[in-house]
Amino acid sequence: KQEVTQIPAALSVPEGENLVLNCSFTDSAIYNLQWFRQDPGKGLTSLLLIQSSQREQTSGRLNASLDKSSGRSTLYIAASQPGDSATYLCAVRRNRDDKIIFGKGTRLHILP
Amino acid sequence: NAGVTQTPKFRVLKTGQSMTLLCAQDMNHEYMYWYRQDPGMGLRLIHYSVGEGTTAKGEVPDGYNVSRLKKQNFLLGLESAAPSQTSVYFCASSPRTGGNQPQHFGDGTRLSIL
Repeated sequence: KQEVTQIPAALSVPEGENLVLNCSFTDSAIYNLQWFRQDPGKGLTSLLLIQSSQREQTSGRLNASLDKSSGRSTLYIAASQPGDSATYLCAVRRNRDDKIIFGKGTRLHILP
Repeated sequence: NAGVTQTPKFRVLKTGQSMTLLCAQDMNHEYMYWYRQDPGMGLRLIHYSVGEGTTAKGEVPDGYNVSRLKKQNFLLGLESAAPSQTSVYFCASSPRTGGNQPQHFGDGTRLSIL
């Protein structure tokens, strides 16, 4: 059974710092991996999707990497800003038509 | 740009009452999903649909029913609400074009069962 773990559960860093969020999964046979952002009282917004054949994806200050063999992904946020404060969730899909398994998220707080 | 709209946003029910949560999407997506999000449990899939007239069970389907009579709407029903169903419910949709398309989420329905 696929399990997705995100450590730490919460993180506070000063504004301007670069930071890394971690995601690990138990079954390396995945179709893709996604990183989502969730603001308080809101739904999830997809940030980056990495297909199984890819090693990384970038969008602005965000860079997500994927290492299937070790069952790990990281989300790198450069030059953090208070507006980056949110919960970040990692999710994996086993195959094309399968459901997505979510991690429990990392609550990120950027200190002004 | 409505995207995925959930109705209602908040609701309080008494144990044993019934209600229906409505999800509507205007993106012509084939796939639709219902999740529940609980503290310490993350997001769990309740039911999903891969097209009009079809539904399938997810991880935690007990106590819920769904219907997809129209492509744009996905309804989640609670026939006899229980306190364990107190949660935040999210609807999501995605295109049919393979699994490499992100899901689009609504803002959630906060449901309390007393």
